[in-house]
Amino acid sequence: DGGITQSPKYLFRKEGQNVTLSCEQNLNHDAMYWYRQDPGQGLRLIYYSQIVNDFQKGDIAEGYSVSREKKESFPLTVTSAQKNPTAFYLCASKGDSNQPQHFGDGTRLSIL
Amino acid sequence: AQRVTQPEKLLSVFKGAPVELKCNYSYSGSPELFWYVQYSRQRLQLLLRHISRESIKGFTADLNKGETSFHLKKPFAQEEDSAMYYCALSGGPNSGNTPLVFGKGTRLSVIA
Repeated sequence: DGGITQSPKYLFRKEGQNVTLSCEQNLNHDAMYWYRQDPGQGLRLIYYSQIVNDFQKGDIAEGYSVSREKKESFPLTVTSAQKNPTAFYLCASKGDSNQPQHFGDGTRLSIL
Repeated sequence: AQRVTQPEKLLSVFKGAPVELKCNYSYSGSPELFWYVQYSRQRLQLLLRHISRESIKGFTADLNKGETSFHLKKPFAQEEDSAMYYCALSGGPNSGNTPLVFGKGTRLSVIA
């Protein structure tokens, strides 16, 4: 779905560094979500935001932080406290409650 | 607690054979169920949702509340069906934009 853009596509992090993954949508969706995808684990929810300036922790929020200062943007920061950050990160957004979630292309994060 | 179970990590079938990807769920109310598909090097995309009751790419899924299942079926598998399939659950249209709960996924491999 071209309305959700994640960048970069690939990201490398050194030990002890924080990195920020970008997610932008031009679908005018209120809700946005971050998931982590690992082989054999499916998609696990990190954080979500149902409205600007508000967000909630998901199932695996430790070591991550988010902000939602603008409706179209929901960046995810992977902090040095996240001990196993190597994964594929998916961002999604959703309009009204009758609409399904739409996903971005993802960002693959690796540790150097 | 909300939970989605996909018992098969990998399912291999021959081209032209019937396919059934299993999904069972646990939810205390009236959920909405979805199937998402991720083809190689493509983004996660919605395949179908139970409230629309439509057939997409020859796939169908019926919500069985008695058995709490939402199995995905196709009578004749095609090679292009090879992908990762995720079953997901939400609280339904009245639950607002609460996040989806995903199963761990089943990789379908269609052998020529």
